[in-house]
Amino acid sequence: GENVEQHPSTLSVQEGDSAVIKCTYSDSASNYFPWYKQELGKGPQLIIDIRSNVGEKKDQRIAVTLNKTAKHFSLHITETQPEDSAVYFCAASSFDFGNEKLTFGTGTRLTIIP
Amino acid sequence: DSGVTQTPKHLITATGQRVTLRCSPRSGDLSVYWYQQSLDQGLQFLIQYYNGEERAKGNILERFSAQQFPDLHSELNLSSLELGDSALYFCASSVSPGTGGYTFGSGTRLTVV
Repeated sequence: GENVEQHPSTLSVQEGDSAVIKCTYSDSASNYFPWYKQELGKGPQLIIDIRSNVGEKKDQRIAVTLNKTAKHFSLHITETQPEDSAVYFCAASSFDFGNEKLTFGTGTRLTIIP
Repeated sequence: DSGVTQTPKHLITATGQRVTLRCSPRSGDLSVYWYQQSLDQGLQFLIQYYNGEERAKGNILERFSAQQFPDLHSELNLSSLELGDSALYFCASSVSPGTGGYTFGSGTRLTVV
């Protein structure tokens, strides 16, 4: 089955700096890669996703890049703000209709230092 | 509010007992997914339903079972509970398999004592 590795497990950055979280996946059939943000006491919230036919996607201060050959994808957050502090999870999935499983990385605890 | 409703929010029970966790998906979503989140295990996929039918299974223990009802709400039943079953249990929903964009509920925190 799919295995997703995520690094680093913790990350502290100064407010205004950029943060990068990296993930690798094992199943070459995976074609959907979402990122979730989980704040304390809440469920994970989808912040951005990318499909395998796209190499990069941006949404304001957040961007995701995908390298299918190397089987890795990254989350980039620019101009970080205190409200970006949370745990971030990457995930990977292949969508064969009727058989679907989103496999998550182990999470990165991001702390923004004011 | 994500639109996915999970009840109860907290549950404390003794070892050997049985509990039922409930999930109402977001309006219009036909797929429901259950995940277990432990401190050292991250988010582990348990099971998926689509329009009342089981579609995919993860590492779900035999002591655990689930179903999705005609009104699309889902229940996760956990029996013969052990201390190690203490975790956050999340339900997520999506329109259908392959559409991505899972919406998660706020979870049920289960504590087994």
